[in-house]
Amino acid sequence: DAKTTQPNSMESNEEEPVHLPCNHSTISGTDYIHWYRQLPSQGPEYVIHGLTSNVNNRMASLAIAEDRKSSTLILHRATLRDAAVYYCILRDRGSTLGRLYFGRGTQLTVWP
Amino acid sequence: DAGVTQSPTHLIKTRGQQVTLRCSPKSGHDTVSWYQQALGQGPQFIFQYYEEEERQRGNFPDRFSGHQFPNYSSELNVNALLLGDSALYLCASSLGPWDEQTDTQYFGPGTRLTVL
Repeated sequence: DAKTTQPNSMESNEEEPVHLPCNHSTISGTDYIHWYRQLPSQGPEYVIHGLTSNVNNRMASLAIAEDRKSSTLILHRATLRDAAVYYCILRDRGSTLGRLYFGRGTQLTVWP
Repeated sequence: DAGVTQSPTHLIKTRGQQVTLRCSPKSGHDTVSWYQQALGQGPQFIFQYYEEEERQRGNFPDRFSGHQFPNYSSELNVNALLLGDSALYLCASSLGPWDEQTDTQYFGPGTRLTVL
């Protein structure tokens, strides 16, 4: 299933950077690392994904450890709108199965 | 461009009743997945429909069934409702089982089902 470990909760102040960690020590060579977030009263939304190299998009950056056993989602300047539950998910690219395995995620609180 | 839509938004039923939830996928998407999210938990995969057939199924009893229509919209049916079926039911859509270009699934806002 999920095979990832995340802290239950984290806090940040507005406009400060946030580093959300995820451990995935049993990751396989074909597993991509996906991040989704769920804002209050909404469905999950895609944030970013990567395989080996660090990735950047308009929402966030993903830093992947060299051994791929951990990764960090980086929000460069947290806003109040970034308060959400963040899910780190492994996706086997070698599989045609489209299901996502969600854990409990990390509840991020952003203070004004 | 309309995203994933779900109806109804909220629903209250009593034990033993049956319920039908509806989902319209994002424009251009042909695959629909359903998830159940209990309070304080992450979403759990129920099943996925592609080409009007159930392609994958999670660990849910046969009381949970679904359907996909030719226009790619989908329904989730739950029979003989139990108190434990109270949850947020999420629908996700993609182009194929996975979106080959972006490798993402797009979620709707969900239907909140309360079973009394």
